[in-house]
Amino acid sequence: DSGVTQTPKHLITATGQRVTLRCSPRSGDLSVYWYQQSLDQGLQFLIHYYNGEERAKGNILERFSAQQFPDLHSELNLSSLELGDSALYFCASSDMGLAGDEQFFGPGTRLTVL
Amino acid sequence: TQLLEQSPQFLSIQEGENLTVYCNSSSVFSSLQWYRQEPGEGPVLLVTVVTGGEVKKLKRLTFQFGDARKDSSLHITAAQPGDTGLYLCAGVKWHTGNQFYFGTGTSLTVIP
Repeated sequence: DSGVTQTPKHLITATGQRVTLRCSPRSGDLSVYWYQQSLDQGLQFLIHYYNGEERAKGNILERFSAQQFPDLHSELNLSSLELGDSALYFCASSDMGLAGDEQFFGPGTRLTVL
Repeated sequence: TQLLEQSPQFLSIQEGENLTVYCNSSSVFSSLQWYRQEPGEGPVLLVTVVTGGEVKKLKRLTFQFGDARKDSSLHITAAQPGDTGLYLCAGVKWHTGNQFYFGTGTSLTVIP
């Protein structure tokens, strides 16, 4: 158990819909990262938040948005869902968000878009 | 296009054999990390290398960061069935925050 929690574990929805994935970092960690993992694209970095502020962006689509709240939990919002958005979404946390920090990954949310 | 290419993509070996996994890029990274991922779970960090030419050992695993900080290798000595899993390298670029570029992955199966 990494100490990072993600809800829900599984999510099945239809194209065009909007969903929210939730992540609670390890106690004391200030940084949260979001990733998408699919069979054809592998593990793709989406975004990094540190203490409520966006710090780095990766391959995040405009239909996706994220935020980190004052209690440090984070949410990833996916809208206008397409079949290709079906994937495992991971959240990870680290204490400071410095280069070389150890990230601890959550168990992931499996999103299926029908 | 992946920034980091791993090879081989799949590897199936007998228990006791040695193996090397390569992680290559044309880009320079602040640091490089290696992870192992089990099916249905999140990746778990094995090591972080920061300095060009750095070598780190973790029991039977040896990690090396290239001199130019563009590539890395993972060598496993006397592989065991418990080493089976997906191995991922990740290049880290740091500016105001961390950007992680994960490799394509190497799926290792160690046969007893």
